[in-house]
Amino acid sequence: DAGVIQSPRHEVTEMGQEVTLRCKPISGHDYLFWYRQTMMRGLELLIYFNNNVPIDDSGMPEDRFSAKMPNASFSTLKIQPSEPRDSAVYFCASRRMGLGYTFGSGTRLTVV
Amino acid sequence: AQSVTQLDSHVSVSEGTPVLLRCNYSSSYSPSLFWYVQHPNKGLQLLLKYTSAATLVKGINGFEAEFKKSETSFHLTKPSAHMSDAAEYFCVVSRAGGGADGLTFGKGTHLIIQP
Repeated sequence: DAGVIQSPRHEVTEMGQEVTLRCKPISGHDYLFWYRQTMMRGLELLIYFNNNVPIDDSGMPEDRFSAKMPNASFSTLKIQPSEPRDSAVYFCASRRMGLGYTFGSGTRLTVV
Repeated sequence: AQSVTQLDSHVSVSEGTPVLLRCNYSSSYSPSLFWYVQHPNKGLQLLLKYTSAATLVKGINGFEAEFKKSETSFHLTKPSAHMSDAAEYFCVVSRAGGGADGLTFGKGTHLIIQP
């Protein structure tokens, strides 16, 4: 079991550019979560999916953020256009109902 | 609705002395409670979890936590701190048995170990 895999580990981009973060959940897990971690706000839930369907996206900060889960083994979080205040560490996590959460190692995003 | 309050943003102890990281929660439901640890520039690792079984929960690396419903607390302890314990610790609550709400994280407690 390779765990939850996120890519890239680090991303530096210029303001205004599109950024795509990727996540591969653990096989058999039916929930997938995207979190954002900043110094000011701590860890925040952005969106979560159940069986590839978005259930709650109320944590997505604004329309510049979008997330998709085209199949059970892949999800993306896209920011377009990116802004310096989007700089954060973005975590993906997955779980199966009744079992614990497993977090990926995160993507550290820096927007300059 | 649920929330978590970690009472200390920083805790500093000497190596070999006990560790106490405090956490209070509120939840409209019967909660599941977790402690996660995050070492610098690393991801989140589960230390332990409470899911309505035994109120005293033992985790990895010698940590344990006690669920006290009357005090709505879930404090994390370790009898003897080690230098490798220096990290950020998060107390987390979710609705028991449900992945439906995701996790609600506390703001974190930065544990410093003095040699």
